[in-house]
Amino acid sequence: GESVGLHLPTLSVQEGDNSIINCAYSNSASDYFIWYKQESGKGPQFIIDIRSNMDKRQGQRVTVLLNKTVKHLSLQIAATQPGDSAVYFCAESVLTGGGNKLTFGTGTQLKVEL
Amino acid sequence: NAGVTQTPKFRVLKTGQSMTLLCAQDMNHEYMYWYRQDPGMGLRLIHYSVGEGTTAKGEVPDGYNVSRLKKQNFLLGLESAAPSQTSVYFCASSYLRQVGNQPQHFGDGTRLSIL
Repeated sequence: GESVGLHLPTLSVQEGDNSIINCAYSNSASDYFIWYKQESGKGPQFIIDIRSNMDKRQGQRVTVLLNKTVKHLSLQIAATQPGDSAVYFCAESVLTGGGNKLTFGTGTQLKVEL
Repeated sequence: NAGVTQTPKFRVLKTGQSMTLLCAQDMNHEYMYWYRQDPGMGLRLIHYSVGEGTTAKGEVPDGYNVSRLKKQNFLLGLESAAPSQTSVYFCASSYLRQVGNQPQHFGDGTRLSIL
């Protein structure tokens, strides 16, 4: 079946360094790819999304790259801060008339070391 | 503006008991969703609703029922709780998608344990 997965379950970075979180997907029919951040005890929080016809999208301190050739998605966080410590999920969305249903990956734990 | 509010935040049930989880959103969103999150796994869609009075099955609907009698509320029911339903349940809502992606907004979850 279709799946969205992550290469690394845990990523540790030094404060101030850049972080790169990777995600592999298998559904070539996905219309959007989305990154969510989940802090301990909280619900997922939307970070950024990218449409399938784009290669790159930038937000505030974050950049998402999409490589459709190898079905790979990455989230880059610039100048990582302690507040960035969380679990990051990628998700893919196939736009249908029946709602915006998401398929989530298993998540990557980002730990920021001081 | 509270966003998405879930009640209760924690609950312990015995096998066979029933309960209802309540989700309320104040953003006038058309779409609402219920997910479950288990250790080492991503969120999985249980049921969803595209508008008041409508519901549909998601990826893992067995053992759950839902109702959307009012636009702002989405209820998730467990008729006869089983230990396999021990999980963290998240509710989400989003605008009707007309153009592009409409991000889902999540509540902070209900932690449910079935003994």
